[in-house]
Amino acid sequence: GAVVSQHPSRVICKSGTSVKIECRSLDFQATTMFWYRQFPKQSLMLMATSNEGSKATYEQGVEKDKFLINHASLTLSTLTVTSAHPEDSSFYICSARDNGLAGGADTQYFGPGTRLTVL
Amino acid sequence: GENVGLHLPTLSVQEGDNSIINCAYSNSASDYFIWYKQESGKGPQFIIDIRSNMDKRQGQRVTVLLNKTVKHLSLQIAATQPGDSAVYFCAENPSGSARQLTFGSGTQLTVLP
Repeated sequence: GAVVSQHPSRVICKSGTSVKIECRSLDFQATTMFWYRQFPKQSLMLMATSNEGSKATYEQGVEKDKFLINHASLTLSTLTVTSAHPEDSSFYICSARDNGLAGGADTQYFGPGTRLTVL
Repeated sequence: GENVGLHLPTLSVQEGDNSIINCAYSNSASDYFIWYKQESGKGPQFIIDIRSNMDKRQGQRVTVLLNKTVKHLSLQIAATQPGDSAVYFCAENPSGSARQLTFGSGTQLTVLP
């Protein structure tokens, strides 16, 4: 099946620093990737849609200058949390869309998530 | 905006029994639905999907039922096992939205020994 990886799985940083999270589709090409955040015992909230070779589309209320997204290739998207603060502590999850052209199902496959803790 | 919601936040079943997890959606334009399983500290795992031109789809030990008349989706798990304990989310994709997904609030399934 389709595999999506994320790195790092956990990160602890000091307030004011920036953190980069990588999302990779390992066995398929993804022109579209999505970034979500999830607070404890809550559902996934879509932050932005990342399109290869173009600017990301952010959901209402998500600061694009704070959450920088780069989708430089068909298998890699990165999310950088700039000047992180304690309220940014959350579980960040990416997904990659397999459009089904290579025989798979046209659906989203999720990474294992990154637990960010800002001190 | 429109949301996908779940009827029950928690569900406990005995090992070996069948589980039914329900989901209500409100966007009548949605044409694609997915059930995901999320274990603690992990990302969602695809279980099964269904398109709006179907009302039932079966997988291995799982069945998804779609009732478009009442905008209701359910996930049935046969012979529930301890490894099925997790949070289950339904997600919908409104037609024409480039495959963005809207997630429901989730149901915590606990399998009792």
